[in-house]
Amino acid sequence: AQTVTQSQPEMSVQEAETVTLSCTYDTSESDYYLFWYKQPPSRQMILVIRQEAYKQQNATENRFSVNFQKAAKSFSLKISDSQLGDAAMYFCAYRSGNNDMRFGAGTRLTVKP
Amino acid sequence: DGGITQSPKYLFRKEGQNVTLSCEQNLNHDAMYWYRQDPGQGLRLIYYSQIVNDFQKGDIAEGYSVSREKKESFPLTVTSAQKNPTAFYLCASSARTVNTEAFFGQGTRLTVV
Repeated sequence: AQTVTQSQPEMSVQEAETVTLSCTYDTSESDYYLFWYKQPPSRQMILVIRQEAYKQQNATENRFSVNFQKAAKSFSLKISDSQLGDAAMYFCAYRSGNNDMRFGAGTRLTVKP
Repeated sequence: DGGITQSPKYLFRKEGQNVTLSCEQNLNHDAMYWYRQDPGQGLRLIYYSQIVNDFQKGDIAEGYSVSREKKESFPLTVTSAQKNPTAFYLCASSARTVNTEAFFGQGTRLTVV
């Protein structure tokens, strides 16, 4: 089965600064999607950004962007101009062609004012 | 409004009793998932289903059972064989195409005493 690893249990960033959250995955498949989800204290999961494995271009959604390195099986999330509302747990997720979807252990992001 | 509903939000059971967690969606999604969330361990996949009357085990299926008799419903039973059932349980659904995001319920906090 595919595995997803987030090696940073906690990260901290100053408001308005930039932070990068790391994610690596292990797979032998060629067709898959990668996602970042945010879980605020309410525990509701919210999609942040998605990336198709076939696309070379890194996905961007406003202040959120990814650095997708397919050969290295790396999928990091960069948050620019961090805001207090960005404080949450962030989960990296891998979805295979048969809809098997796995998550990493998560990174708790703290934003300091 | 379309969405995915888990009930109840909080559930208490005595040790040795089976308990069933409800998950219903009206998004017309084919794929449904159950995850368990423990502190520091992220979301771990229990079971998933791609279509009615079909489901696959995830990483931690032991002590759990599911059914998928209707497209809208994917109940999870926590049996007495599950050694440490106290946890937060999340249900999700998505369309079958791999690039679509998963939508999550609000979760059920199960406490076994």
